[in-house]
Amino acid sequence: DADVTQTPRNRITKTGKRIMLECSQTKGHDRMYWYRQDPGLGLRLIYYSFDVKDINKGEISDGYSVSRQAQAKFSLSLESAIPNQTALYFCATSAFGGIYNEQFFGPGTRLTVL
Amino acid sequence: DQQVKQNSPSLSVQEGRISILNCDYTNSMFDYFLWYKKYPAEGPTFLISISSIKDKNEDGRFTVFLNKSAKHLSLHIVPSQPGDSAVYFCAASALSNYQLIWGAGTKLIIKP
Repeated sequence: DADVTQTPRNRITKTGKRIMLECSQTKGHDRMYWYRQDPGLGLRLIYYSFDVKDINKGEISDGYSVSRQAQAKFSLSLESAIPNQTALYFCATSAFGGIYNEQFFGPGTRLTVL
Repeated sequence: DQQVKQNSPSLSVQEGRISILNCDYTNSMFDYFLWYKKYPAEGPTFLISISSIKDKNEDGRFTVFLNKSAKHLSLHIVPSQPGDSAVYFCAASALSNYQLIWGAGTKLIIKP
């Protein structure tokens, strides 16, 4: 079984709808991240969490919110989706204390906002 | 302004030859550099890393070179194999900040 799972894998929604992307991990890592990938821009950090009570905004948090329900679960919400939030979304985890901050990624969720 | 740049969107290399992927950065505070590989419909997977105190790190067919004065790193793959066809991302981080800053990626195509 995959160490980092994301649901759904694909989602098409309409402008103004609320949507939640979910991430679960079995790696036992404390740190979790949400990124989005757009063509030509690489990965950009939306939110990150170093433990259940520690949530931090990343580079592009506007229009997004997150919830860390447990060590293993980190959800990303779009309260009112807009077309420029169409992107590939990745969840990642890392262990506390790793100097390289090596991150382990889920398979991604392809979100389309019409 | 992008702090980590991969200026080649794609690269085509003959099987068995050397693949060289390049990455430039602007922030002198970066301490660690990582290369990730990504296949379609999968998340990025870690490939190799290097600390700023080193100028070279090898792992099998993969070698990363770091030139701090030029703020440049490169990933060498020798020999290139068909399974190496993927998108390669360069990422950097500073010890004071655990965030990874990513380049836009280079799509490597290995021709038979």
